[in-house]
Amino acid sequence: DTEVTQTPKHLVMGMTNKKSLKCEQHMGHRAMYWYKQKAKKPPELMFVYSYEKLSINESVPSRFSPECPNSSLLNLHLHALQPEDSALYLCASSQGADNSPLHFGNGTRLTVT
Amino acid sequence: GQNIDQPTEMTATEGAIVQINCTYQTSGFNGLFWYQQHAGEAPTFLSYNVLDGLEEKGRFSSFLSRSKGYSYLLLKELQMKDSASYLCAVRALSGAGSYQLTFGKGTKLSVIP
Repeated sequence: DTEVTQTPKHLVMGMTNKKSLKCEQHMGHRAMYWYKQKAKKPPELMFVYSYEKLSINESVPSRFSPECPNSSLLNLHLHALQPEDSALYLCASSQGADNSPLHFGNGTRLTVT
Repeated sequence: GQNIDQPTEMTATEGAIVQINCTYQTSGFNGLFWYQQHAGEAPTFLSYNVLDGLEEKGRFSSFLSRSKGYSYLLLKELQMKDSASYLCAVRALSGAGSYQLTFGKGTKLSVIP
């Protein structure tokens, strides 16, 4: 079982839809992350929030919009996605310290049609 | 940028020992992590090294040589459930002045009877 909860587990959306991915952790972690993982590829960093502020944006297209309402929640708003955006979207959290490991959620499997 | 290299696939026999190597080239090195990922699931944290030497955790051990840019993950007494991808991840200082975790492409380990 993971202590980072992601919803939904699966999402199918059209290119004109607007949807949101949600992530929640109650471990008191101060850093939260969004990663994108394509099949047979490693996770790629998209965004990092540290103390509820966006600290890293890895040149992600504006059709992906992150939001951190509070220290326990992280959202990823999706709009006008492309089929190539289909992937596993992983949320992770860490204590925020330099040597603290990332704890991943089970991910949302996104398919864009 | 970072260059992280690990073998694509390995096969080992149940009950045996297997060593998965990882080499990296980076500046601003701040630690190396090993993660296990079963197909369709989230990565789970296995080990962390920041100083040279061996870290042992049950059947799993990880070694780091910072001067050589080299790490390995050692799995003992292999079990069928150890069949998974093993991801080497390096934390380093980014150009933006924050620490980022970058994953290698992963080694797919198959354990056979």
